[in-house]
Parts: sequence; C-alpha cells; structure tokens
Amino acid sequence: QQPVQSPQAVILREGEDAVINCSSSKALYSVHWYRQKHGEAPVFLMILLKGGEQKGHEKISASFNEKKQQSSLYLTASQLSYSGTYFCGTSGGGNKLTFGTGTQLKVEL
Amino acid sequence: SAVISQKPSRDICQRGTSLTIQCQVDSQVTMMFWYRQQPGQSLTLIATANQGSEATYESGFVIDKFPISRPNLTFSTLTVSNMSPEDSSIYLCSAIWDRSTYEQYFGPGTRLTVT
Repeated sequence: QQPVQSPQAVILREGEDAVINCSSSKALYSVHWYRQKHGEAPVFLMILLKGGEQKGHEKISASFNEKKQQSSLYLTASQLSYSGTYFCGTSGGGNKLTFGTGTQLKVEL
Repeated sequence: SAVISQKPSRDICQRGTSLTIQCQVDSQVTMMFWYRQQPGQSLTLIATANQGSEATYESGFVIDKFPISRPNLTFSTLTVSNMSPEDSSIYLCSAIWDRSTYEQYFGPGTRLTVT
C-alpha cells in the first residue's frame, strides 16, 4: 500500500518552518525524500536507513521512526526555492521504492 | 553529478500505436527502473530493468504492454504498446549507481499524450 503523507498541501511565508510526515503500513528499511517542481524530474534530497542517524543538510533535515513506520521531513526558514511537491519513497528492503501520496508546498513572499 | 537523459522528452501518439522511450545514463549503474506518473499524481513503479535478462514487473504491469530492454549497464528502453488514452502519462527512468547507498536518481521524464 502507498505511504500516506500529511499535510496534502501547505502554504508558507518565506522564513517559516514546515514539517511533512510520511506514514507506512509496512515495516520499513529505508525512506527516501524527493522534491519535484512542476514539469521536472524528482530531485533526491536524502535517504534514511533503518538504524541510521537523523539526516540533514543546510536547512532541510529528516527523521525516521522505525517502530512507528514513519518519517518526517523538516524544512527550516523556508525559501522560495523550496516550493514544489515533496514525495517520500519507502522500501522494506532491496531497492524498489513505493512513493507516498505527495505534499504540495508553496512558499510565498 | 549523475546524468540521466531520456528521449523523446514528449510525444503525442494515436491510439493503437506504440512508442519506445530511451533512457541513457552517463556511467555504469547498478540498477535501472521505470516509473509512471499520471498528472498530479505520485510515482508508480512499472518494472526493474535487468541487464541482460527479462525485466521484473510490478503488479498491474505486464511485459506485453510495457516491454523493457536493458542491453548494457548504461541504457534501457521502455515501449508502451497498443496505446490508449489511459496511457497518457509521464514516464520516468531512474538509476542507482551505488547499491550500498541506495540513492536513486531520476531522468527528466517523457510526457506522453495519446489521442
């Protein structure tokens, strides 16, 4: 089954923070996060592995709760360039990904 | 950084015809995949393209409809056969270079419209 993301959509003013959640009904080995702008390919943001550490770079970080089968993406001090649709991709092992329902994020001035 | 290219970038086709989409990566990869993304929707895995052997298809996708080839470690094709308007979608290939990191990167996609 497809992971469920929340919220479905969010509008931020520049500089505000946001959290995007990804919840799976299956046990997870890894969670991948992507951002996709309209008409473009998904861009890899980061991957979290079971037993691994919380990841982050610049103002985007993520956590992975294996027991709850959930992951969260944290966007701090959002910029206009953060606008797009965010997808989590989950794997129970191996390299095949099941993508979540997506979260549309729009950052405004 | 990794480069994945796809051809064509877009096409408009008539129902009943077939279209072959090419995916080229700039260096040898461990794994290649094909996804479909319908407008405004998430990505759905069609199949894993196996080098030198038959692709591994996901539930709901069959080889007769979506034949896939991967003759070497840098190239794969996806054919959408006997197309109908329901096949209108974006088709993306992706690749993993390093199996230990699992990082998966996507090509720019092929936007297919079937009339």
